[in-house]
This record gives sequence, structure tokens and C-alpha cells, in this order.
Amino acid sequence: SQQGEEDPQALSIQEGENATMNCSYKTSINNLQWYRQNSGRGLVHLILIRSNEREKHSGRLRVTLDTSKKSSSLLITASRAADTASYFCASGAGSYQLTFGKGTKLSVIP
Amino acid sequence: EPEVTQTPSHQVTQMGQEVILRCVPISNHLYFYWYRQILGQKVEFLVSFYNNEISEKSEIFDDQFSVERPDGSNFTLKIRSTKLEDSAMYFCASSDRGMSGNTIYFGEGSWLTVV
Repeated sequence: SQQGEEDPQALSIQEGENATMNCSYKTSINNLQWYRQNSGRGLVHLILIRSNEREKHSGRLRVTLDTSKKSSSLLITASRAADTASYFCASGAGSYQLTFGKGTKLSVIP
Repeated sequence: EPEVTQTPSHQVTQMGQEVILRCVPISNHLYFYWYRQILGQKVEFLVSFYNNEISEKSEIFDDQFSVERPDGSNFTLKIRSTKLEDSAMYFCASSDRGMSGNTIYFGEGSWLTVV
């Protein structure tokens, strides 16, 4: 898989359910950031997790990072219709650039 | 909350024309970036800019592209002689420190359509 590759590519759930999205990367990283993008709109920063952290919470979001498996997951609890969007992980590996994955398209059905 | 602002939100241009996309980064940020997203594809890094010079650029950022900070608030991306394949959403971003574990904030993007 490529750097910052998410799965699943698409996820459809009922409102109130939890949504889990996974991300894998290939090289060592300094940090991993998750972004949300509503259709045709900008990238909204959700959460950053550093390479020495294993878990981080922000409201209904929970991010985990497993550097031994080079993977991260984003959990959205008690999903709402407004959470419908594409979610991207982006890894930072010590240079200035972030490397984005292809994203997971989440649909939350009311 | 401070935000990165971009203009125009959408621009249609003829192939071969020059385009300038403008950005106002968050005011106390020192690092500026351009990324692009071709429809249905990944967001790709173009260039980073710090202390009035390019700090890093990708293979995409060839001689057709240039960046400039013409004054204390604006950051621009110029695309000379646009091609059809330059059609994409271009995102400006900024951060208060360099890459090592710092949040990068993105603007709403500028849709560029080359016809």
C-alpha cells in the first residue's frame, strides 16, 4: 500500500453508530494528522498524533497510532449526519510535506 | 478562529494562460504551503515556503510554477502557461512552525479549470 493509505474506501453507517477508519503508511513518521473534507470544500484539521503517542481524543474523535504496524485508526463515536464527509490521514516524516492517503468516504444515514 | 483564506474560489482559464492564485495565511504563521487535489485523487504536496524562500518542493512543482510572498500578508502561486492537466483544486496552507509535529491549517481551496 502507499504512504497514508486509508481503508475502507467507503463506509456507510446509520446515525448513532460508530465509524472506524484505518490508515497505513510505509516510512517512519514524526506525526500523523487526520483531516475531513466535505464535498468540494477545504480540508478541516481534526487531530494530530505524534509518533511517541499511542492514543488521542478530541470530543467524539479517538485516534490511535501503532508505529510497529505503521498504522493509525480514526474512530468517530455516535455519528451524526453532519459527519458525512471524506476523511484523510496525512503523515509527516520529518520534511516539510504531508503525504496524504486516498481517503475514506463516510456516509452517515439519518 | 483564525483561518487561511484563498481567492478566487473558482477560476476558469484558457489553456496557455497564466493564473495567479492568492492566499492569506494565518497571521502569526511562518510556514506556507501549496497542495493540489485533482478531482477524485489524493491531495498532493507542491511546495513549502519559509523565510522568503522555497524550503521544499515536489516533482510536480516544475518551472511552470512559482510562489511569492509579495507583502506581509499574501502568498501566491503562479502557474505559467496552464495545461489541461493543471485543472485541480489548489489548497494553500500554513503552520506556525516547521513540519516536526505541527498542525497544518488549510484554506477552502481554489478550483482551477483549464479549458
